[in-house]
Amino acid sequence: KAGVTQTPRYLIKTRGQQVTLSCSPISGHRSVSWYQQTPGQGLQFLFEYFSETQRNKGNFPGRFSGRQFSNSRSEMNVSTLELGDSALYLCASSLARPAETQYFGPGTRLLVL
Amino acid sequence: DQQVKQNSPSLSVQEGRISILNCDYTNSMFDYFLWYKKYPAEGPTFLISISSIKDKNEDGRFTVFLNKSAKHLSLHIVPSQPGDSAVYFCAASYQGGSEKLVFGKGTKLTVNP
Repeated sequence: KAGVTQTPRYLIKTRGQQVTLSCSPISGHRSVSWYQQTPGQGLQFLFEYFSETQRNKGNFPGRFSGRQFSNSRSEMNVSTLELGDSALYLCASSLARPAETQYFGPGTRLLVL
Repeated sequence: DQQVKQNSPSLSVQEGRISILNCDYTNSMFDYFLWYKKYPAEGPTFLISISSIKDKNEDGRFTVFLNKSAKHLSLHIVPSQPGDSAVYFCAASYQGGSEKLVFGKGTKLTVNP
């Protein structure tokens, strides 16, 4: 069974631009969660989607948004990029509930200049 | 308010010895705990989990212990191998709550040959 895939793997943007990251969950998994990882901060929860609906949201500004499609694929968007948005963005999928075991993709490394 | 704490940012052990990684939590409603291993530039990989109805779970060289009264869990790796060198994250969740995994900030384990 294929794992969680994320595209692109690396991205360089400048301040003020926007970016869209994509995540394809494991086949059959319907819950997709997004995390931001920065040095020393661990994994900070962004949001979780299930059946095309956002079920949970972390403490991030409205510049961070996401969506999920009917095939469970998910995208997250960051608008008006700031230098502090430079991070590894991780997507994780689970069968139905984010509180169960999640399986992570390799992440997208975003660098904002 | 950090609900899951990994107080040791780093740990160094000799190959063949035991590695003990610790994790404390503050929310008594947490009832499911997981450990993930993460290599640089990769997504976290699920290692082992434990439900609050148990106090120990083993999988090969990895054993997780849960002390509910102390709100403490630990991951034992025996024997430690150089390939175990990675960042280890503890995570917790609870049924009927916001249903998201809450992660600690991680402990970097270095196993020296």
